[in-house]
Amino acid sequence: AQKITQTQPGMFVQEKEAVTLDCTYDTSDQSYGLFWYKQPSSGEMIFLIYQGSYDEQNATEGRYSLNFQKARKSANLVISASQLGDSAMYFCAMRELSANQAGTALIFGKGTTLSVSS
Amino acid sequence: SAVISQKPSRDICQRGTSLTIQCQVDSQVTMMFWYRQQPGQSLTLIATANQGSEATYESGFVIDKFPISRPNLTFSTLTVSNMSPEDSSIYLCSVLDSSYEQYFGPGTRLTVT
Repeated sequence: AQKITQTQPGMFVQEKEAVTLDCTYDTSDQSYGLFWYKQPSSGEMIFLIYQGSYDEQNATEGRYSLNFQKARKSANLVISASQLGDSAMYFCAMRELSANQAGTALIFGKGTTLSVSS
Repeated sequence: SAVISQKPSRDICQRGTSLTIQCQVDSQVTMMFWYRQQPGQSLTLIATANQGSEATYESGFVIDKFPISRPNLTFSTLTVSNMSPEDSSIYLCSVLDSSYEQYFGPGTRLTVT
């Protein structure tokens, strides 16, 4: 069964510094997708970044990058140049992909609360 | 990307009553999902709702407690039945679009007193 582990309940960082949020996963599938979402206090789920299991390059989206280490089954999120607005809960999630790429629902880790201070 | 709306955005209900949450998508999607997020917790999948078939429930969730309808490719409802305070959560509708990206509605904040 697939499983997502986020071991950092909370992280604290100063503005303009970089921060890494850890995520490890477990799956027996060869084909899967890894996602990061941001949930501010308003409750909405904001998609940040996606990494496919067969993607050779680490995914990047602006200040977000995903440090994908397949052999270690880790998919850490790196936020560069933190901003006050980055303060939120961050969830790592995974979806196993069927042969036709239809996929299944995302399964989430417990989340990490990031606090950015000035 | 899919745009999802949910109604109501929040509600306070008495125990023993039921609440139906609506989810509307601005485009046709095959796969829709319902999640629950209890206070301070992560998202837990309740069920997958595909049009034209019965919803598939995850372990720990049953149809009698959380009946789901999916009458067409843009709409779904989740009912929380015979509510207790333990049902106080955010309920989120989610869809998989044609690019297999998953989007979430704004959520329904339910408080049961």
